[in-house]
Amino acid sequence: DSGVTQTPKHLITATGQRVTLRCSPRSGDLSVYWYQQSLDQGLQFLIQYYNGEERAKGNILERFSAQQFPDLHSELNLSSLELGDSALYFCASSVAPDTYEQYFGPGTRLTVT
Amino acid sequence: GIQVEQSPPDLILQEGANSTLRCNFSDSVNNLQWFHQNPWGQLINLFYIPSGTKQNGRLSATTVATERYSLLYISSSQTTDSGVYFCAPHSGGGADGLTFGKGTHLIIQP
Repeated sequence: DSGVTQTPKHLITATGQRVTLRCSPRSGDLSVYWYQQSLDQGLQFLIQYYNGEERAKGNILERFSAQQFPDLHSELNLSSLELGDSALYFCASSVAPDTYEQYFGPGTRLTVT
Repeated sequence: GIQVEQSPPDLILQEGANSTLRCNFSDSVNNLQWFHQNPWGQLINLFYIPSGTKQNGRLSATTVATERYSLLYISSSQTTDSGVYFCAPHSGGGADGLTFGKGTHLIIQP
């Protein structure tokens, strides 16, 4: 158990819908990262937050957004869902950005039908 | 961004065998992690190894940052070692996440 929690574990929804994925980092970690794992793209970095502020963006679509709250939990919002958004979404956390080890949560498996 | 190449892409071994997985990367790094993704999809931290050598039980890893590669050694393989092994360097110098290779898919047969 990495100490990073994600909910829900599984999510099935229809095209065009909007969903919210939730992540709680390890105790003491200030930095949160979101990653997407799909058959087409592999594992790719989406976005990073540090102590409530957005710090970096990767290959995140404009239909996706995220935020980190004062209690340091984070939410990833996916809207206007398409079939191609079906993937495993991971949250990771670290003490601080850049050089620190990242620990991954169990992931949320999203299926868009 | 940094490019990551892992080899071999697939590996099938008998229980008890040893293996070496390789990760080449295209840029200098200040962070490199190895992960094991088990058949249930969980990403398990194996090593945080931007340079040098570390050992943890039957597993060990070496990163030669100046030559831009890292190696993961698995000895006396067990069926529970099956899964996908990912190398993920971070190039630093800016704000971004880990860059993952395509992984090595390892199958250990009893």
